[in-house]
Amino acid sequence: EAGVAQSPRYKIIEKRQSVAFWCNPISGHATLYWYQQILGQGPKLLIQFQNNGVVDDSQLPKDRFSAERLKGVDSTLKIQPAKLEDSAVYLCASSLQGTEQYFGPGTRLTVT
Amino acid sequence: DQQVKQNSPSLSVQEGRISILNCDYTNSMFDYFLWYKKYPAEGPTFLISISSIKDKNEDGRFTVFLNKSAKHLSLHIVPSQPGDSAVYFCAASTRHGGATNKLIFGTGTLLAVQP
Repeated sequence: EAGVAQSPRYKIIEKRQSVAFWCNPISGHATLYWYQQILGQGPKLLIQFQNNGVVDDSQLPKDRFSAERLKGVDSTLKIQPAKLEDSAVYLCASSLQGTEQYFGPGTRLTVT
Repeated sequence: DQQVKQNSPSLSVQEGRISILNCDYTNSMFDYFLWYKKYPAEGPTFLISISSIKDKNEDGRFTVFLNKSAKHLSLHIVPSQPGDSAVYFCAASTRHGGATNKLIFGTGTLLAVQP
């Protein structure tokens, strides 16, 4: 069974630029999550989708972050404009009906 | 407000000995707890979980203990192996209808198992 795929693996941008991350969950997993992991901290949930509907986006900075999950499969997370404090690893995870979550390898974002 | 705390940033253990990783939580509504293991440049991997109706769950070399009155859980690895060297995250959640709500993670403990 293929795992959660994410791209790109690394991205370096300057502040005020925009960036997008892509995630392909495990086939058949209805629930998809985006987490932000800042160095030295645990992952923090940004947004949770159930199929293509948003379940929880309470910790998503909506003035600069946006996410969508078209057709209930792939998802993209966008940051526009980026700030220095957005430097982190962005993790995508999926689960089958909200049980154990399976994580992708993450995208390491550096904002200079 | 850190609802899930792992107060030991790192732990070093000799191969073959027991590793004990600790985790404390503050929210009494949490009823489901998980441990994840993370190698560098990889995403976290699910290791073991425990429901609040139990006080112990065992899977091979890994055992998780839950003390609800103390709001404390621990992960025991026996015997420890060099391949266990990784960052271990404790996570907590609430469940309803068998589904897990969002996970709240601790800050992680770096385990180094010395050969």
